[in-house]
Amino acid sequence: GENVEQHPSTLSVQEGDSAVIKCTYSDSASNYFPWYKQELGKRPQLIIDIRSNVGEKKDQRIAVTLNKTAKHFSLHITETQPEDSAVYFCAALPSDQAGTALIFGKGTTLSVSS
Amino acid sequence: EAQVTQNPRYLITVTGKKLTVTCSQNMNHEYMSWYRQDPGLGLRQIYYSMNVEVTDKGDVPEGYKVSRKEKRNFPLILESPSPNQTSLYFCASSFGRSYNEQFFGPGTRLTVL
Repeated sequence: GENVEQHPSTLSVQEGDSAVIKCTYSDSASNYFPWYKQELGKRPQLIIDIRSNVGEKKDQRIAVTLNKTAKHFSLHITETQPEDSAVYFCAALPSDQAGTALIFGKGTTLSVSS
Repeated sequence: EAQVTQNPRYLITVTGKKLTVTCSQNMNHEYMSWYRQDPGLGLRQIYYSMNVEVTDKGDVPEGYKVSRKEKRNFPLILESPSPNQTSLYFCASSFGRSYNEQFFGPGTRLTVL
């Protein structure tokens, strides 16, 4: 089955710096890759996603890139702000496992200090 | 307001005492699932349901049961809870399985003594 590895597990940056979180997946048939943000004590919420037929997607300060050949995708946050501090989860959706939902990475705790 | 609700939000119980965590969504979503979140392990799927009366196991189903008698409700049942089921539980729903945002409930913090 699908396996998603996420790195780093913790990331500390200064306000205004960029942050990059990387994920690799094992199943080449996976075709949808969302990123969820979970603030302390809150529920995960979708922040950006990308489908396998697209190489890059941007939404203001966040972007996701996908390399299908290498089977990895990354989240890029530019001009980080303290409110970006949270746990970020990547996920992959296997296309050939009927019913099984997203397979999540173990999460990255991002801390942005001002 | 479109939302997923869970109850209770916090629960402390003892080993072996049956409990149910309710989950309800008002968005007419077909797909619902339960996850548990543990430090360092991320979100792991327990059970999912693709529609009414259609449920199946996720990655970590042992010790749990679910039912889907109505489209909006998807309760999680622990018939004989054990300490290793102490965790943070999230219910989630979406229109379908593929390419759809999963909307998470607020979470249920369960402690089994």
